Amino acid sequence: KAGVTQTPRYLIKTRGQQVTLSCSPISGHRSVSWYQQTPGQGLQFLFEYFSETQRNKGNFPGRFSGRQFSNSRSEMNVSTLELGDSALYLCASSPGTSGGRSTDTQYFGPGTRLTVL
Amino acid sequence: AQKVTQAQTEISVVEKEDVTLDCVYETRDTTYYLFWYKQPPSGELVFLIRRNSFDEQNEISGRYSWNFQKSTSSFNFTITASQVVDSAVYFCALSDRDRSGGSYIPTFGRGTSLIVHP
Repeated sequence: KAGVTQTPRYLIKTRGQQVTLSCSPISGHRSVSWYQQTPGQGLQFLFEYFSETQRNKGNFPGRFSGRQFSNSRSEMNVSTLELGDSALYLCASSPGTSGGRSTDTQYFGPGTRLTVL
Repeated sequence: AQKVTQAQTEISVVEKEDVTLDCVYETRDTTYYLFWYKQPPSGELVFLIRRNSFDEQNEISGRYSWNFQKSTSSFNFTITASQVVDSAVYFCALSDRDRSGGSYIPTFGRGTSLIVHP
């Protein structure tokens, strides 16, 4: 099976812009989670989607949003970018046996490296 | 206090040495899940193990073994006869609920960087 794919792999934006990142889960997986990884804060959970609905949400401002499509593919959007949003954004997929409760084993993609100038 | 503490920031060993990575967690939930992930230099996190709070059996998988002790809230990871390919950052993670009926939220430790020298 193909693994989790994320596009683009690298992105450079300026403050105030918005960005959309894409994630395609492993075939058959129904749950997609998003994480932000920075040297200062480490790995932090953003949100998880299951059956096109956001099931869990971490402690991030409303500028961070996402959605999931009927084919389980997911997008994450960050509006009004700030310098502190520079990070590696990781997507993870899981079978969804827990119904999007963030208790399943997760399989991570290679990440999108976002740089905000 | 951090929910998941990996006190060892960096460990350096010589090939064939055994090494234990510590993980201490904090939760009030009675049903929770623990994970270990490996992040090699390429950046992609690789799943290693998942444990639920009701399963305290230790596990061995090849050179890897895990020691889960609820009494000390620890979930330690040991690599036997380490190899250069084991060099990576290892993350311990906890998924639990802040309140009964609430959502499970994954929390990752800060990671332990393991360097295995030839």
